[in-house]
Amino acid sequence: LAKTTQPISMDSYEGQEVNITCSHNNIATNDYITWYQQFPSQGPRFIIQGYKTKVTNEVASLFIPADRKSSTLSLPRVSLSDTAVYYCLVGDSTGTASKLTFGTGTRLQVTL
Amino acid sequence: EPEVTQTPSHQVTQMGQEVILRCVPISNHLYFYWYRQILGQKVEFLVSFYNNEISEKSEIFDDQFSVERPDGSNFTLKIRSTKLEDSAMYFCASRARANQPQHFGDGTRLSIL
Repeated sequence: LAKTTQPISMDSYEGQEVNITCSHNNIATNDYITWYQQFPSQGPRFIIQGYKTKVTNEVASLFIPADRKSSTLSLPRVSLSDTAVYYCLVGDSTGTASKLTFGTGTRLQVTL
Repeated sequence: EPEVTQTPSHQVTQMGQEVILRCVPISNHLYFYWYRQILGQKVEFLVSFYNNEISEKSEIFDDQFSVERPDGSNFTLKIRSTKLEDSAMYFCASRARANQPQHFGDGTRLSIL
């Protein structure tokens, strides 16, 4: 499983765009990149998943450069309710197991 | 939007007792998982289940743990003889098929006294 490195914490003001970068230098060919959000006492919530280039959904965008050794989760115009821990996970999701290996994530604090 | 549901939300049990945590995965999902998160620590993988059998388990998932899919909708985690160190949030997750993301429930908080 590819090891990931992401900032321990980030601060932002409400209304700003937040970009959280994750490095995964030893990502394998079959690995996908997946981001989750977790609030206290709740389960991780899927945000977005990608393999290469750019993926966008209604809540976020995921930018993956050609070498796939890093990825950036972009949250447009964050609000106070986006205060949470964000996890970047890299792994092969093609198998029957495909367990997720969570790191410590990035703690995002949004203030007024 | 369909979701993974877990019951109970909080379970308090005496050490040494058996406990069963219940999960209803998203309908039509084929892959099922249990994870746990000790307070203040990382989310840890316990076990994955596919085609009515365990596909992978972690070192945490020892002989005290078992999983079952007793019918077409439920997925359970049993801890036979609970220990103090089993106190944690237990999360169930499911995914539809390969290359699809896992979706998590909101967990059961297990407190062992």
